[in-house]
Amino acid sequence: AQSVAQPEDQVNVAEGNPLTVKCTYSVSGNPYLFWYVQYPNRGLQFLLKYITGDNLVKGSYGFEAEFNKSQTSFHLKKPSALVSDSALYFCAVRDLGNTNAGKSTFGDGTTLTVKP
Amino acid sequence: DGGITQSPKYLFRKEGQNVTLSCEQNLNHDAMYWYRQDPGQGLRLIYYSQIVNDFQKGDIAEGYSVSREKKESFPLTVTSAQKNPTAFYLCASSIGPLEGNEQFFGPGTRLTVL
Repeated sequence: AQSVAQPEDQVNVAEGNPLTVKCTYSVSGNPYLFWYVQYPNRGLQFLLKYITGDNLVKGSYGFEAEFNKSQTSFHLKKPSALVSDSALYFCAVRDLGNTNAGKSTFGDGTTLTVKP
Repeated sequence: DGGITQSPKYLFRKEGQNVTLSCEQNLNHDAMYWYRQDPGQGLRLIYYSQIVNDFQKGDIAEGYSVSREKKESFPLTVTSAQKNPTAFYLCASSIGPLEGNEQFFGPGTRLTVL
């Protein structure tokens, strides 16, 4: 079975400070990992993904994430937060060792608030 | 939200009525998905389809039905058997289900049962 956990319901940072949104996962095979962002009353937008290769993945809007296999983590980071980054962030995992390989599992989401 | 449309944006239903949510994509994607989102919870998979004329149950399929007669369309019917249908429903698509392809989401339909 595959699962993903976002241990923090809410993250608050000041504008200009670095931000981290945490994600840990559990899979039986190799993981595909994704980050999405959701603004109020909207659908999700893709930010970045890890498939294979470099552990540091760069994505949209200055976000990046680091894949850590030993810690089974895929934390989302940004060096300098903007007020406009305030949104709900979802981590998702797809287990390529799973027979239901078409399914992704999403975390419960982390609300990021960036204060001016 | 580009490439995937969902309608209507808001939908109100009386108890005991079936209702169908529309999802259309012009991205030529093979795979399509339906999710339910409740406050404070993540997305839960209702149904997904990897190819035309085929679909599989997700984690919470009870009380829902789907069809995939055309590549670009994946409508979801919420039946009267769904005991707690009030939620935000999201449709998504991806190029294919087996590669590491990201999903593209529609803007969502907010269903309220009166």
